[in-house]
Amino acid sequence: AQKVTQAQTEISVVEKEDVTLDCVYETRDTTYYLFWYKQPPSGELVFLIRRNSFDEQNEISGRYSWNFQKSTSSFNFTITASQVVDSAVYFCALIAGNTGKLIFGQGTTLQVKP
Amino acid sequence: DAGVIQSPRHEVTEMGQEVTLRCKPISGHNSLFWYRQTMMRGLELLIYFNNNVPIDDSGMPEDRFSAKMPNASFSTLKIQPSEPRDSAVYFCASSARQGSPLHFGNGTRLTVT
Repeated sequence: AQKVTQAQTEISVVEKEDVTLDCVYETRDTTYYLFWYKQPPSGELVFLIRRNSFDEQNEISGRYSWNFQKSTSSFNFTITASQVVDSAVYFCALIAGNTGKLIFGQGTTLQVKP
Repeated sequence: DAGVIQSPRHEVTEMGQEVTLRCKPISGHNSLFWYRQTMMRGLELLIYFNNNVPIDDSGMPEDRFSAKMPNASFSTLKIQPSEPRDSAVYFCASSARQGSPLHFGNGTRLTVT
C-alpha cells in the first residue's frame, strides 16, 4: 500500500525564520515520484517540485529547498527566511509504480506572522 | 497556455438535485483526474482516466457518482441525487504522462443544502 504522512498539522513561525515541513512516504515500489504542492488561501493547488526515486540529489530553488532521503523514506521541504506570502497549506504527494495515482498527505498548514 | 478549466466555480443546490461538474484538461495531456477535498478527509482521488478510458474508479464514493470523458478535451463528474455530505471542493487535474506533475484546475465549490 502507498501512504504519505505529514505529521505536522500546523506550524506557526515569525517572518524571516527558517521552517522545515516533514514528509514520510511508504511504498513497496522501486520506481516512484514524490511531489510538493502549495495551496494558498485562494484555494488553488500549485505544483512546486517533483523528484523520482532514482534521483536523491537535493534541490534548491530560491528560498525553497528539498531533502530527499530514501534511507528514511523522507522528502522534507525547507523554506529559508520565510515570508508572509508563504502562508499556505503544503501537501506532499506520491505516485508509486505504474499506478498513475497521486496520493496526498494530509497537508501542513503554515502560518507566517509578520 | 490555458491551464485546466473547471466550471462552474461555485454550485449551490438542494438535496436530491442532479449536479454536473465540468472539466477541460490541458491540451495534449493524456491523463485526467477528479479529486474531492474536505476538511475531514483531505484530498481524495475519485477517478482517473488515461487516454479517455477510466483506469481506476475505486475512489468514487457510491453509485450516485459517475464520471465520463467522451473526448480528450472534456470530462464531467455527475452526482445524482446530491446529498449534503457531498458538499466539498472538487478538483480536476491533468498530466502529460505517467509520473508527470498533475496540473489542477481552480476547483468547483459544491454546497448541497
